[in-house]
Amino acid sequence: EDQVTQSPEALRLQEGESSSLNCSYTVSGLRGLFWYRQDPGKGPEFLFTLYSAGEEKEKERLKATLTKKESFLHITAPKPEDSATYLCAVQANGNKLVFGAGTILRVKS
Amino acid sequence: EAGVAQSPRYKIIEKRQSVAFWCNPISGHATLYWYQQILGQGPKLLIQFQNNGVVDDSQLPKDRFSAERLKGVDSTLKIQPAKLEDSAVYLCASNTPTGNGYTFGSGTRLTVV
Repeated sequence: EDQVTQSPEALRLQEGESSSLNCSYTVSGLRGLFWYRQDPGKGPEFLFTLYSAGEEKEKERLKATLTKKESFLHITAPKPEDSATYLCAVQANGNKLVFGAGTILRVKS
Repeated sequence: EAGVAQSPRYKIIEKRQSVAFWCNPISGHATLYWYQQILGQGPKLLIQFQNNGVVDDSQLPKDRFSAERLKGVDSTLKIQPAKLEDSAVYLCASNTPTGNGYTFGSGTRLTVV
């Protein structure tokens, strides 16, 4: 059974304090690993898709990396507007995504 | 491009009552998904449609949940009768068959009291 575990469950940072979120997974035949951002009261918003180990993608202060067992979402010099829940998901057979429970990020100014 | 539309945004019902949610996916997106997100958890797939056919409903509690997508466009998800543990946000998403990265709607927050 495909499984996704995210850590930490919650993370508090000061503005400008860089850190990383972890997503470890077990899946048979990974087709893609996805990162989403979810703000309160809204649906998940697509950030990145990673397809193979060693791949990296960046968007503003966010950088996602992928190994054979885990993915990291690095946040460089975060701002309060980066506060959200970050969800990781894997796609194996078919098109369905299996999500982790998410990491709640709070950035204080 | 218009996003995935869902209604209602909020619904409060008593246990044992019935409720229905509606979703209109992005135009041209053949694949439609309903996810359930319980507070503090990640979304869990309930059912996946390809056009108007069901691809995966293995995690849909079929004794109380039903879903349809009659014309391959919009979809409805129904719960009858509702239980307290059905309190959650119900998210609809869509993508193209070869696409990656679903587009989600804002969801319907259901509270069963």
